Amino acid sequence: GESVGLHLPTLSVQEGDNSIINCAYSNSASDYFIWYKQESGKGPQFIIDIRSNMDKRQGQRVTVLLNKTVKHLSLQIAATQPGDSAVYFCAETLLADSWGKLQFGAGTQVVVTP
Amino acid sequence: DTGVSQDPRHKITKRGQNVTFRCDPISEHNRLYWYRQTLGQGPEFLTYFQNEAQLEKSRLLSDRFSAERPKGSFSTLEIQRTEQGDSAMYLCASSFRAGSEKLFFGSGTQLSVL
Repeated sequence: GESVGLHLPTLSVQEGDNSIINCAYSNSASDYFIWYKQESGKGPQFIIDIRSNMDKRQGQRVTVLLNKTVKHLSLQIAATQPGDSAVYFCAETLLADSWGKLQFGAGTQVVVTP
Repeated sequence: DTGVSQDPRHKITKRGQNVTFRCDPISEHNRLYWYRQTLGQGPEFLTYFQNEAQLEKSRLLSDRFSAERPKGSFSTLEIQRTEQGDSAMYLCASSFRAGSEKLFFGSGTQLSVL
């Protein structure tokens, strides 16, 4: 079946550097994508979303890039901080069918080192 | 704290016992979702409610799983005759309106079946 996946299970980044987390999706019909951050013992926390009619969206210290041609999504975190250490999930859905049924990938563990 | 609240945070039970979890969504949110998350994986959709109506339950894992939202506010998820494979984190999420996929998650209930 079609699924969302991540290229790197663990990403180690030095404090102050930029982080890039990648996600491949295989459902070409998906038209809405979300990044969530999950800290240990907590539920996923919304970071940023993007619709398929866009290829870039910026938030506070975060940027999401969408490349529909190769079905690739990335999350860039600028000036990574210790508080950014968490598991990051991308999720996809088809808005026409959607009512909150998100398809999540397996996650990338980001470890920020001093 | 006005976020999504789940109770209990942890539940240890013996195989064959029934368990019930509670979720209190953000008060103005009319949609409520249940997800399940196993270690190292992204959340997996189970079911959702719009107000008191359960509009999708085909993803509930078996007939041992059931969910209710009797008054359109809090919800309960029950697992009957628990099995070791039911051990997981059970997450509740809520959203404000139809077409909004920006889900707000609770911290989850960690179930361990011995």
